[in-house]
Amino acid sequence: GAGVSQTPSNKVTEKGKYVELRCDPISGHTALYWYRQSLGQGPEFLIYFQGTGAADDSGLPNDRFFAVRPEGSVSTLKIQRTERGDSAVYLCASSPDGFGANVLTFGAGSRLTVL
Amino acid sequence: KQEVTQIPAALSVPEGENLVLNCSFTDSAIYNLQWFRQDPGKGLTSLLLIQSSQREQTSGRLNASLDKSSGRSTLYIAASQPGDSATYLCAVGTGTALIFGKGTTLSVSS
Repeated sequence: GAGVSQTPSNKVTEKGKYVELRCDPISGHTALYWYRQSLGQGPEFLIYFQGTGAADDSGLPNDRFFAVRPEGSVSTLKIQRTERGDSAVYLCASSPDGFGANVLTFGAGSRLTVL
Repeated sequence: KQEVTQIPAALSVPEGENLVLNCSFTDSAIYNLQWFRQDPGKGLTSLLLIQSSQREQTSGRLNASLDKSSGRSTLYIAASQPGDSATYLCAVGTGTALIFGKGTTLSVSS
């Protein structure tokens, strides 16, 4: 597509529930990134995919968070047993390749609220 | 661990002023540095990308400089306009990820 698409744009859930957030990157972009942004903070790196594989998942806060990109295009961020502290905007970005030289294009984000 | 700091956290100026936003980082081993703009409730828009071998980049009224050895970058905005009001984020590229500062929220009054 023309840009990075994220769905849903807003998600409200209850503590303890399971949530999936979807990212559809720019067509042909091999690198895909997930970030989390809390109010008043800069985006915090979660995970980076090069193709189908997670090249760097060092930012995932704990084992409740998991992400997949099975066909090297669409990615899903999965959060189990959600906690109120998980409330944030989850941003996805893509770039033509993962080398540091390229500009990342960000989606509008998925706002997650855990009650 | 790379840490990125932005000063000031917030800035209010009258229309027409020239202004400078500051960014500092702790590890000079970076691939690049990017400046982004974020409008309330929106995603990030890339403004300027400076490669590690470059000293500055310019786009319209924006000029970004990079001094790797001192771990600093500045974003200069000339002749500010109310439409420039937004949060400006600095991010350094580590090779696999961008590490962001907390941003400077700019308000330009008419």
